This record gives sequence, C-alpha cells and structure tokens, in this order.
Amino acid sequence: GENVEQHPSTLSVQEGDSAVIKCTYSDSASNYFPWYKQELGKRPQLIIDIRSNVGEKKDQRIAVTLNKTAKHFSLHITETQPEDSAVYFCAVRREGYQKVTFGTGTKLQVIP
Amino acid sequence: GAVVSQHPSWVICKSGTSVKIECRSLDFQATTMFWYRQFPKQSLMLMATSNEGSKATYEQGVEKDKFLINHASLTLSTLTVTSAHPEDSSFYICSAHSLELTMGTQYFGPGTRLLVL
Repeated sequence: GENVEQHPSTLSVQEGDSAVIKCTYSDSASNYFPWYKQELGKRPQLIIDIRSNVGEKKDQRIAVTLNKTAKHFSLHITETQPEDSAVYFCAVRREGYQKVTFGTGTKLQVIP
Repeated sequence: GAVVSQHPSWVICKSGTSVKIECRSLDFQATTMFWYRQFPKQSLMLMATSNEGSKATYEQGVEKDKFLINHASLTLSTLTVTSAHPEDSSFYICSAHSLELTMGTQYFGPGTRLLVL
C-alpha cells in the first residue's frame, strides 16, 4: 500500500517567518495531494490541494509544490501568524481510488 | 457548502455497552463516507470505507464485527462500536466524499470523542 512520510514532526517559527513541511510518497500512481490543518480537538480542514498535472499552486500565504519524479510535495506558509499554529497533515490519493493515506502530521507553533 | 455533521460530539459509556455515531452530509450527496480513528497526537487512521447501499470495506486489522458500519442513504452513515472497552476510547471522525464537489475532495465531520469507562 501507499506509504507517506512527513517531516518535520514539530516545527517552531517566529511570527512573520516562513514554514515548510515536506511529504514523500511511494506510489507513483498517486495523483491527488491535499493538505489539512487540524486545530486541537477540531476536525481537519482542507487548506490547499494539488493534482499531478501541475507543479505548484498558491493561495495567498499558502503554497504547495509537487515533484512527481521525486515523489515529494511540500507545503509553504509565508508570513506566519499565531493563528497558523496547528497540526498539519499531508495526504495522498491514488488515481482511481477514493481513500487517501495521511502523513504522520506536523505540529506547527508560531511564536509571537 | 460541503458541510458534514456528526452526532454525538462526545459520549461517555460503560464498558460493554454499544455506541452509535452518526455522520451526515447536510448539503450534498455523499457517494462514499470514510470512518477514521485518531488517538492523541497521532494521525488519522482509516478504519473503513462505506458506500451507499453496499457493505463497508474495512482496513486491515479493523474488526468488522466490532465496528459496524451502515450507509443507508446518500447523506447518512453510522458507526456502531459494539461492546465497547476502554481501549476503544478515541476520537472518531467521519468524512464524506462526492465526485460532484471539487473533484472528490473529502470533507470531515467535527468528530466524536468516545470515552469508555
């Protein structure tokens, strides 16, 4: 089955700095890569996603890059704010399948 | 749009009792619903995939007789934890999937926190 690795497990940044979280996957047939933000005790919220036919997607302070050859993708958050503090999960879905496989999560702390 | 509700939000029960959790898609029809379990400080672990009108597909290691899933309509799926024990205490989250919405993105319910005493 699909194996998704996510790094780092924890990340502390100063407010205003950038944060980068990386994920690698094993199944070359994967074609959908969403990122979720989960605040303590809350549901995961989709913040951005990318499909295999593009290499980069940006939405305001959040961007995701995808390298299909190397089988890794990254989440970039610029100008971080305290409200960005949460656990972030990457996920991967294989073409033709419905279920996704989640990464292990990254706890991001933005220090005011 | 794409709202998923879950009920109850939390439940405390005695060991040996059964607990039913409902997951509803409020403003769209969910062709598929997923049930996850999340332990503290861990990732979401998929328990089963449920398609309307058919039997659920369980992930390896998940006991189908213990975690009963019913997907009776395109807007409702239920998870019943039978004969619950303290080790079943966890955060259970459902998600709903629709091909009609943004190419099959999953939308999560708010979760149910189960504590078995």
